[in-house]
Amino acid sequence: NAGVMQNPRHLVRRRGQEARLRCSPMKGHSHVYWYRQLPEEGLKFMVYLQKENIIDESGMPKERFSAEFPKEGPSILRIQQVVRGDSAAYFCASSPMTSGRDTQYFGPGTRLTVL
Amino acid sequence: AQKVTQAQTEISVVEKEDVTLDCVYETRDTTYYLFWYKQPPSGELVFLIRRNSFDEQNEISGRYSWNFQKSTSSFNFTITASQVVDSAVYFCALSYTGTASKLTFGTGTRLQVTL
Repeated sequence: NAGVMQNPRHLVRRRGQEARLRCSPMKGHSHVYWYRQLPEEGLKFMVYLQKENIIDESGMPKERFSAEFPKEGPSILRIQQVVRGDSAAYFCASSPMTSGRDTQYFGPGTRLTVL
Repeated sequence: AQKVTQAQTEISVVEKEDVTLDCVYETRDTTYYLFWYKQPPSGELVFLIRRNSFDEQNEISGRYSWNFQKSTSSFNFTITASQVVDSAVYFCALSYTGTASKLTFGTGTRLQVTL
């Protein structure tokens, strides 16, 4: 049973470009979470999605960041007009249900570097 | 609001020593879940344990053990007879049992095990 897949594993962008990060949840999981880990820090929640719905985006920056989880295909985290401060590791996690009693399993992360 | 504190930023031990990683949490929820994740140098996040707030029994899994004390809001993690492969950053996390149960992470403890 494949785990959570994220691609690309490493992404380099110049300031002002767009970054698109993909996450395929574990088989049977319909809930996706995105977290950001800045260098030498813990993970911070960004957004929680179910298929075709954003449930909680309280951790998302108000501008330039967006996320989607379409009916078909992976979840996408999009960062427009990237800045150096966006350099971080972005982790996706999935779970089969909505409640906290279900463990979130994490993908390997995407390391974004903004030049 | 929820908060997780891992006061130990970095710990160094010699192989075969026992080591305890501290985790203190704050929450106003009466039911919640606590987690430990391991982040080895390769960067992925590995789930270690989940414990619900109603279950204060200590748990042992091989060389790993966890001590949950609700009275002190602590969920400490002990590695017995540490090994070099235990070298990693360890994160403690908290979620509540409702929907949209995002994880709140501590800042992590970096464990270095040397020969």
